[in-house]
Amino acid sequence: EVQLVESGGGLVQPGGSLRLSCAASPFTVSPTFMSWVRQAPGKGLEWVSVMYSGGNTYYAASVKGRFTISRHNSENTLYLQMNSLRVEDTAVYYCATATRPGAGFDYWGQGTLVTVSS
Amino acid sequence: DIQMTQSPSSLSASVGDRVTITCRASQIINSYLNWYQHKPGKAPKLLIYSASSLQSGVPSRFSGSGSGTDFTLTISGLQPEDFATYFCQQSYTSFSWTFGQGTKVEIK
Repeated sequence: EVQLVESGGGLVQPGGSLRLSCAASPFTVSPTFMSWVRQAPGKGLEWVSVMYSGGNTYYAASVKGRFTISRHNSENTLYLQMNSLRVEDTAVYYCATATRPGAGFDYWGQGTLVTVSS
Repeated sequence: DIQMTQSPSSLSASVGDRVTITCRASQIINSYLNWYQHKPGKAPKLLIYSASSLQSGVPSRFSGSGSGTDFTLTISGLQPEDFATYFCQQSYTSFSWTFGQGTKVEIK
């Protein structure tokens, strides 16, 4: 079964940077895309960014220009470089993937907490 | 962005109860609607995809229905392990997915 393990969260000051990683166990079915989704304290889930298998990337308006998604194929690892962090970026960040287009995120990690505070 | 509105935001129920959660989209999304279960500290779990298809390994007491803008998740015979928060999510718009605000199912 596919396993996704996030790391890299922590406490950072406003304006700072952090890089999250998502290590994936070998996929038995190639994912259509891999994505980051976050949940701020007491709030619902918010999609953040996606990288398709072909390499195309997209971002939510709230993070565009500040966050960069990338991957290291040989290491089966997805990254999220977060710059110019704001207090409102405080959240648990989940890595998620979809193997069927349009059919939801079928695999998720357990999340890593990012706290932006002075 | 497509807005997803869930109701209720929370509910109390007993083991064995039938529970219904609704989700409404701000525009037509056909059947591009998915349901997740989320427990504290755990990874969210896909239950239902494409409005009514049961994800592999998910118990048959979970079912989904609806199309267009109105959708329903039903748990027929609530079990102790079902107490969690449930989210709907639209996958109609690629790379602009949105979620409902969640419904917390608590023990009565």
